[in-house]
Amino acid sequence: SQTIHQWPATLVQPVGSPLSLECTVEGTSNPNLYWYRQAAGRGLQLLFYSVGIGQISSEVPQNLSASRPQDRQFILSSKKLLLSDSGFYLCAWSVPPFSGLEQFFGPGTRLTVL
Amino acid sequence: KQEVTQIPAALSVPEGENLVLNCSFTDSAIYNLQWFRQDPGKGLTSLLLIQSSQREQTSGRLNASLDKSSGRSTLYIAASQPGDSATYLCAVRPGNTGKLIFGQGTTLQVKP
Repeated sequence: SQTIHQWPATLVQPVGSPLSLECTVEGTSNPNLYWYRQAAGRGLQLLFYSVGIGQISSEVPQNLSASRPQDRQFILSSKKLLLSDSGFYLCAWSVPPFSGLEQFFGPGTRLTVL
Repeated sequence: KQEVTQIPAALSVPEGENLVLNCSFTDSAIYNLQWFRQDPGKGLTSLLLIQSSQREQTSGRLNASLDKSSGRSTLYIAASQPGDSATYLCAVRPGNTGKLIFGQGTTLQVKP
């Protein structure tokens, strides 16, 4: 069966510090991968998605970037965190092609920027 | 621009009641609609996926319907239990991409 992991589970970082969040999927090959952010009062918003190694699409201009160095690994990064980057970050996967298929979510990372 | 609305924002019911959660979307051109459950501080659990060509899907005590032309979906929960307490989110896939657009959710509390 497929499983998705995210770490760390929680993170408290000062403003201006770098960020690296990691997501890995097991039990499937060549998944589509997604990063979402859930901010208080703003609902879930898609940040990035990837259809393959090195292929990243950005949905929202922001202080963050994503990379996919391996087939089942998706990384969310920032060089300098802002207060507004605080939130609950969720990684998700689906089996390609895009249409008609479920997305499955990881346990999330709670990021607090102070 | 596709927008998804869920009503009510919060709901409290006694155990055993049948209940309906509502989801509406502004653009009927969707590929599918997915219902999720989120427990406090946790990730999302997929409950049901309805393709645009389908009218409903069932899983156990859950039944989701889709009326694409009117831009509505409902999640019916039969014989509610305290363990059903959570936030329920609906999301639509507006096109042939992986993007999901979420509603704000309905927070359900089932009292014993």
